[in-house]
Amino acid sequence: SQKIEQNSEALNIQEGKTATLTCNYTNYSPAYLQWYRQDPGRGPVFLLLIRENEKEKRKERLKVTFDTTLKQSLFHITASQPADSATYLCALVGYGGSQGNLIFGKGTKLSVKP
Amino acid sequence: DAGVIQSPRHEVTEMGQEVTLRCKPISGHNSLFWYRQTMMRGLELLIYFNNNVPIDDSGMPEDRFSAKMPNASFSTLKIQPSEPRDSAVYFCASSLGQGVSGNTIYFGEGSWLTVV
Repeated sequence: SQKIEQNSEALNIQEGKTATLTCNYTNYSPAYLQWYRQDPGRGPVFLLLIRENEKEKRKERLKVTFDTTLKQSLFHITASQPADSATYLCALVGYGGSQGNLIFGKGTKLSVKP
Repeated sequence: DAGVIQSPRHEVTEMGQEVTLRCKPISGHNSLFWYRQTMMRGLELLIYFNNNVPIDDSGMPEDRFSAKMPNASFSTLKIQPSEPRDSAVYFCASSLGQGVSGNTIYFGEGSWLTVV
């Protein structure tokens, strides 16, 4: 069955360091991969989208990579700040099937300590 | 724009009661989604509408759940009768264009449902 795993439930890092979050998938051929940020009590907020033919995408301090051979995406936050503390979700859109079905991982809770 | 607006934000109800959750998508968006989030299962798609027409309802758990979109600016998700296992956060989301492929999805703040 299709499966999406985010490497850990929680990640604690020191302010100023680079946070790296991992999203692995199996039995799936995603056309797109998206990353979202979710703060407690709030809805997910879209951050970045990367297509299967793109290796890397950047937005300010954020960088996403997408390796369809390894079936993995890495999400990096450089020069992390306490304000980056949140849960980060990856989500996949596959070919065919329902255009509405964005499959989400369970998220990694990032804590950035000052 | 005000974003996706959901109501109520919080609801506590007794088992067996009917629950109605409401959503106003972003104006001009023609795809609308209902998701449910729990600790155990994460975020799961319940139903997806495009141009007010239900396209995929395969995620709707059972007949107790129903969703409607009578016009482009309003949708409801109804649970009747409600059960304790329905306790979750229900998110409505919308996007411009068809579905999620290549589109940015905008989520509401969620409706926190507790069934006791």
